[in-house]
Amino acid sequence: AQSVTQLGSHVSVSEGALVLLRCNYSSSVPPYLFWYVQYPNQGLQLLLKYTSAATLVKGINGFEAEFKKSETSFHLTKPSAHMSDAAEYFCAVSLPNFGNEKLTFGTGTRLTIIP
Amino acid sequence: EAGVAQSPRYKIIEKRQSVAFWCNPISGHATLYWYQQILGQGPKLLIQFQNNGVVDDSQLPKDRFSAERLKGVDSTLKIQPAKLEDSAVYLCASSLNSALGSPLHFGNGTRLTVT
Repeated sequence: AQSVTQLGSHVSVSEGALVLLRCNYSSSVPPYLFWYVQYPNQGLQLLLKYTSAATLVKGINGFEAEFKKSETSFHLTKPSAHMSDAAEYFCAVSLPNFGNEKLTFGTGTRLTIIP
Repeated sequence: EAGVAQSPRYKIIEKRQSVAFWCNPISGHATLYWYQQILGQGPKLLIQFQNNGVVDDSQLPKDRFSAERLKGVDSTLKIQPAKLEDSAVYLCASSLNSALGSPLHFGNGTRLTVT
């Protein structure tokens, strides 16, 4: 079975600083990987996804993530944090299953931006 | 396009009472999901519909939870009787189909508190 581990339930960065949110996955076969963002009292929104194409994936709002098979990682980064980035971020994994893929989410990382 | 609509936004009930949640997916989306998000955890899939048929309900506690999607559009999720541990946010999501290239669109969720 597949799973993801998000290191750090809370991360604080200063406005303008680098954002780095960590995600490691466990999977017996090459997985598909996702990052979702959840703003307070809202549902989840897809930031980006990796589906076995380019290992560096660019998403919305200036975020990107790099798939590293050797490290089983899919960390999310943004060069310069903005106040509007404050939210909860979830890493998720799925295995290819002939059009019936199911997502397994991590426990989330709450990002706080310090003015 | 209109997003995924859920109601109510909040619900407080006593244990052993019953409760129902409603979801209206994005028009034309064949796949509908119900997720349970307990505080401090990532969303967990409860049930997945493809049109009006159930694709996966392996993690649905069927002794107390039930869901239906009549006519392949709206869906309701019911809990009867509720337990304290059912306190969570219940998220509905929809996608064009169940293939991985089709992103999930989430509603804002229903926050259930069981006292």
